[in-house]
Amino acid sequence: QKEVEQNSGPLSVPEGAIASLNCTYSDRGSQSFFWYRQYSGKSPELIMFIYSNGDKEDGRFTAQLNKASQYVSLLIRDSQPSDSATYLCAVNIRGNTGKLIFGQGTTLQVKP
Amino acid sequence: DVKVTQSSRYLVKRTGEKVFLECVQDMDHENMFWYRQDPGLGLRLIYFSYDVKMKEKGDIPEGYSVSREKKERFSLILESASTNQTSMYLCASSRHTGSGGYTFGSGTRLTVV
Repeated sequence: QKEVEQNSGPLSVPEGAIASLNCTYSDRGSQSFFWYRQYSGKSPELIMFIYSNGDKEDGRFTAQLNKASQYVSLLIRDSQPSDSATYLCAVNIRGNTGKLIFGQGTTLQVKP
Repeated sequence: DVKVTQSSRYLVKRTGEKVFLECVQDMDHENMFWYRQDPGLGLRLIYFSYDVKMKEKGDIPEGYSVSREKKERFSLILESASTNQTSMYLCASSRHTGSGGYTFGSGTRLTVV
């Protein structure tokens, strides 16, 4: 079992819809969780992080964490074509060493 | 604006050459990392460093070495470049605890011919 798993997609949604990106992780002691957006040919940029169970909202983005189910998700409301990118889930596993474990990424396509 | 700076955006080298990729961060981060990214394979960790003069192997260290003589600088060295090292190389830094996640550099697209 991979430490961090994401569906590679592509996930295709129409403009204005809600995009839901999901990530599961294997280490129950994981402490912090990150979502990165990566445009084609560019480096990843941090868009959200979450440390506690529940929801965290920032503009059109909401991160959701359920530690009991070992599940973290990213919701993008009112999706725009500019949101089309690969979204990487990353987890800081127990021990807090600062090394993140990345999923393979989910490609999101927002169609006008 | 805090930054991780990679010295080259695009690089073309010949097989057998010794290649240096430089990364500098201005955030006083303890941790620095080198990844390569290839289509379908995701981010793969080559080496990382938690402190000056300290290094640890990642998942794919073969054919690479690193140097960290100063806190802000982390260099990746390809001792004898090969065509299978053609890739996007990404440098990242983070605080020791990992809070705040990684900040990535803009990447170096290396082509070995």
